[in-house]
Order: sequence, then structure tokens, then C-alpha cells
Amino acid sequence: DTGVSQDPRHKITKRGQNVTFRCDPISEHNRLYWYRQTLGQGPEFLTYFQNEAQLEKSRLLSDRFSAERPKGSFSTLEIQRTEQGDSAMYLCASSFDGPFSPLHFGNGTRLTVT
Amino acid sequence: RKEVEQDPGPFNVPEGATVAFNCTYSNSASQSFFWYRQDCRKEPKLLMSVYSSGNEDGRFTAQLNRASQYISLLIRDSKLSDSATYLCVVNPFAGKSTFGDGTTLTVKP
Repeated sequence: DTGVSQDPRHKITKRGQNVTFRCDPISEHNRLYWYRQTLGQGPEFLTYFQNEAQLEKSRLLSDRFSAERPKGSFSTLEIQRTEQGDSAMYLCASSFDGPFSPLHFGNGTRLTVT
Repeated sequence: RKEVEQDPGPFNVPEGATVAFNCTYSNSASQSFFWYRQDCRKEPKLLMSVYSSGNEDGRFTAQLNRASQYISLLIRDSKLSDSATYLCVVNPFAGKSTFGDGTTLTVKP
């Protein structure tokens, strides 16, 4: 299966801890996106990369969140000093360049902050 | 006001019914449009793109009205397996895809 893969699938952490998630996109895709989704809401944009360049970051994203895509392949999303409000599904997606290329999502990482 | 708005539903319909969902968007410069399907606690999956002239894929028909800034999804002959949340997605020329909050459909026997 050459789809988008995310790791881990589930993460339970205590408030104040740091967590890091990994995403491996479809290899031919040069764009990689991170979204966050809570129950009853649609996916909320966090950030996206074109190759290794981070082109946009949501203004809603606090400084505790950081994402990298060092070689233009896989990406990591780190949340520092987690808070209970960070509990959500974190979705990674990839696509080709351009507005007409749809996003392909991974299975997501479900984060629970206790 | 949200950039992309959908009626959250839920829509509860019997098998075989026809059901339609609408989605409105605020950015008149939006370039492309999609419908995604999301099952409970799963990732969104692409259902279909929406083309300016309207398009059909089996029992599913998508329409775009740029003047009124809305897109629609029509499902004919509903199946139990169509029960899911349907997400409307709008893309600008450059930048992020914006999702609606979804419309929940339950098809009952």
C-alpha cells in the first residue's frame, strides 16, 4: 500500500508532556498538509509544505506547535507542553501541486491529553 | 462567518431515497471543489471532484453554482452503506484546502 501513513495511530499523554507525530506522504506528492479534527467539526488546517518549504501556518496555531519536513519527504509535527485542549485527531494529507489536486489522507493520529 | 458552511443535519432517510446536501463558500476566487466522505473515527476519503458543468459518478451527482457560491451533492437510491458524514472542500488558487464541518447522513432500512 503506497498511501499516506501516520505514526502512531493513538497517543495518550499527560498534560505538560511533549509529543511528536510522523507522517509519510505518497512518494510522488510534493505537498504535505497537517490538519486537526475534533468531534463534530471538519478538519482544521494547521500547516502545509511544498517539498521542504513550509508555505503556510495557521494563525490559530500556538507557538507550542511546530512542524518540519527536512528533506521534502516525511514530516513531523511536535506539540510541546500539551494541554487538554490539544486532544484531537491529527490528520496528515498529501497531494500534487496546484488547486485541482485533491488531498489524500492518512489514518490519523488520535491524541488524548489527560 | 465560516469560509465553508454546511447544514450539519442529521439527515435520516430510508433506503432508496434521494437526498441532497448543499454547501456554501465565501471566497469568490475559489478554484476547485470536492466532496469527501468520512466514516466514524476514520479519515476523510475523496468521494468526487466537482466540475463547473456538473458531474455524475454512479448514484452521486455534484453541481457547482459559482454565481451563488454553492455546491451540491445528490445521492440517488440511498444505500445503508452511504451512511457517513459528507464534507465539502474548497480550494483557492494557492494555499490550503478549507473543509466544511460536514453533513451527517443516516440511511435506515
